[in-house]
Amino acid sequence: GAGVSQSPRYKVAKRGQDVALRCDPISGHVSLFWYQQALGQGPEFLTYFQNEAQLDKSGLPSDRFFAERPEGSVSTLKIQRTQQEDSAVYLCASRSGTGSYGYTFGSGTRLTVV
Amino acid sequence: DAKTTQPTSMDCAEGRAANLPCNHSTISGNEYVYWYRQIHSQGPQYIIHGLKNNETNEMASLIITEDRKSSTLILPHATLRDTAVYYCIVFDMRFGAGTRLTVKP
Repeated sequence: GAGVSQSPRYKVAKRGQDVALRCDPISGHVSLFWYQQALGQGPEFLTYFQNEAQLDKSGLPSDRFFAERPEGSVSTLKIQRTQQEDSAVYLCASRSGTGSYGYTFGSGTRLTVV
Repeated sequence: DAKTTQPTSMDCAEGRAANLPCNHSTISGNEYVYWYRQIHSQGPQYIIHGLKNNETNEMASLIITEDRKSSTLILPHATLRDTAVYYCIVFDMRFGAGTRLTVKP
């Protein structure tokens, strides 16, 4: 596609519910990041993939957060037993190769836990 | 932890140049400096990047000091649509709080 696509655009979850957020990167892009952005804050790093390999997951805030990219293209961020503090915008970014190019971001998924 | 330091906010008059500073005193020799901006309710947008030479594109110019410990993003003729949060980051893609630039008429 022309850009990074994230779905759903908005998600309301009841506390304790599991959610899955999808990221469709630009076709052929090797590198993929997930970020969590709380209101009024900068994006916080969650995890990084190079193709299907999750090379860094140090930013995942708890074991309730899980990310995968099984075929090196589409990625899913899963949050189990959602809590109110998980309410945020979740951003995905991708880039071709591992060179010095800039990343392209999606518009994000706004998750609200009620 | 973010490796960059930026002012929290800046104002600029419409039509004037906006100069946004960034300190990255611990940058490594092979780390690039990237600039992104984020307009309310959108994902960050890539602006420009550089290693040691000054760079220019259709959006902005990037001036990097000789010791590479700081840089300045220049928007030569700021417009109201340039009002956004501007992030300076180094290669590992960790964002700080950024600079909130407000362009005023």
